[in-house]
Amino acid sequence: ETVMTQSPATLSVSPGERATLSCRASQSVSRNLAWYQQKPGQAPRLLIYGASTRATGIPARFSGSGSGTEFTLTISSLQSDDFAVYYCQQYNHWPPYTFGQGTKLEI
Amino acid sequence: QVQLVESGGGVVQPGRSLRLSCAASGFTFTSHGMHWLRQAPGKGPEWVAGISYDGSNKQFLDSVQGRFIISKDIAKNTLYLEMYSLRAEDTGVYYCAKEITAYTYGYDAFDWGQGTLVTVSA
Repeated sequence: ETVMTQSPATLSVSPGERATLSCRASQSVSRNLAWYQQKPGQAPRLLIYGASTRATGIPARFSGSGSGTEFTLTISSLQSDDFAVYYCQQYNHWPPYTFGQGTKLEI
Repeated sequence: QVQLVESGGGVVQPGRSLRLSCAASGFTFTSHGMHWLRQAPGKGPEWVAGISYDGSNKQFLDSVQGRFIISKDIAKNTLYLEMYSLRAEDTGVYYCAKEITAYTYGYDAFDWGQGTLVTVSA
């Protein structure tokens, strides 16, 4: 099973600042990586797939990069609506698909 | 617009059974792989089971293999998860999800439904 490790567990930032979230895979997942946003009481929402492709309707301030084992989600100018938990997921080696433990983005 | 609406969750005793349903709309149900995922309280998501777009292939998490069955009813545009011999560790919100790319199975990201809560407790 491919283990996904996210860092940091919690990131405290202010609105308007840039946030950088990291995700590391225990083995290469090529570019088969997705990022999701989850707010309390809601389902995860797809932000990025293929490591860097924004999903439909996702603002340009969200960007993804990386390949192999190291990936980054960058939110260029944080808005109040962006404070949530973010998960990375690999879909290169399955079953099972595996997720990171999440990064909580807080004010 | 893609809609995935889960139902069937509830409180169930250990060892008992439950069937979850997911009503799909807004896309061609026969063209996309479908999956169930779950999320225990305070934890990250966990993939549980998947079924190919044509229903010919099915995969399961090791811990549910032999206890859970995934199926789809094309006429009703509905995905199912039958869960047997439920355990406390099966507790969580269960999400239905569709692969974002048509005519593939696996190796893809997901669009998710809103989830249904399953609690396994005596």
